[in-house]
Amino acid sequence: QKEVEQDPGPLSVPEGAIVSLNCTYSNSAFQYFMWYRQYSRKGPELLMYTYSSGNKEDGRFTAQVDKSSKYISLFIRDSQPSDSATYLCAMVGGGFKTIFGAGTRLFVKA
Amino acid sequence: DTGVSQNPRHKITKRGQNVTFRCDPISEHNRLYWYRQTLGQGPEFLTYFQNEAQLEKSRLLSDRFSAERPKGSFSTLEIQRTEQGDSAMYLCASSLGAGGLTEAFFGQGTRLTVV
Repeated sequence: QKEVEQDPGPLSVPEGAIVSLNCTYSNSAFQYFMWYRQYSRKGPELLMYTYSSGNKEDGRFTAQVDKSSKYISLFIRDSQPSDSATYLCAMVGGGFKTIFGAGTRLFVKA
Repeated sequence: DTGVSQNPRHKITKRGQNVTFRCDPISEHNRLYWYRQTLGQGPEFLTYFQNEAQLEKSRLLSDRFSAERPKGSFSTLEIQRTEQGDSAMYLCASSLGAGGLTEAFFGQGTRLTVV
């Protein structure tokens, strides 16, 4: 079993929809939870960063962490075609090694 | 462009050849990371430097792989006797840290194809 599980999609939604992306994990030591966006043939770009449990909002993006369920989510409101990308969840426990999910491919149709 | 710079962007090599990639981190970033990403997968951690010291190394980094950061600035990743399974995107990231985790910025990656 992988430490971080993420549905690869693809997920296709119409413009303006609310998008929900999720990851589950098995390692209780994870403390930092991140979401990266990766466009084709580009490096990942950090979107959101949360320490421990709770919610964090940044513009159209909201990250949620539920450590009791080992489940994290990223919500995108009013999705735009420019949001079409692969979204990677990532986690860090002890040390600085970041464990990434496989990524979910998102397509937002105009 | 003051982001993380990786060279070359693409490399095609024959099996058995050695290749070397370079990463120039963001100026003053003391932490540098190498990751490998294959198609349809997330990046996999390879190794981590704090200044010139290599502090963590993944079991994925076989004896054919070596990474250096000689003066705590740029870093190189060398793969000796390349195999087809080495074909992947090699990503470098850097961050500024005095303790704890801080935001890491990724470069555009070097795409390696072993034929």
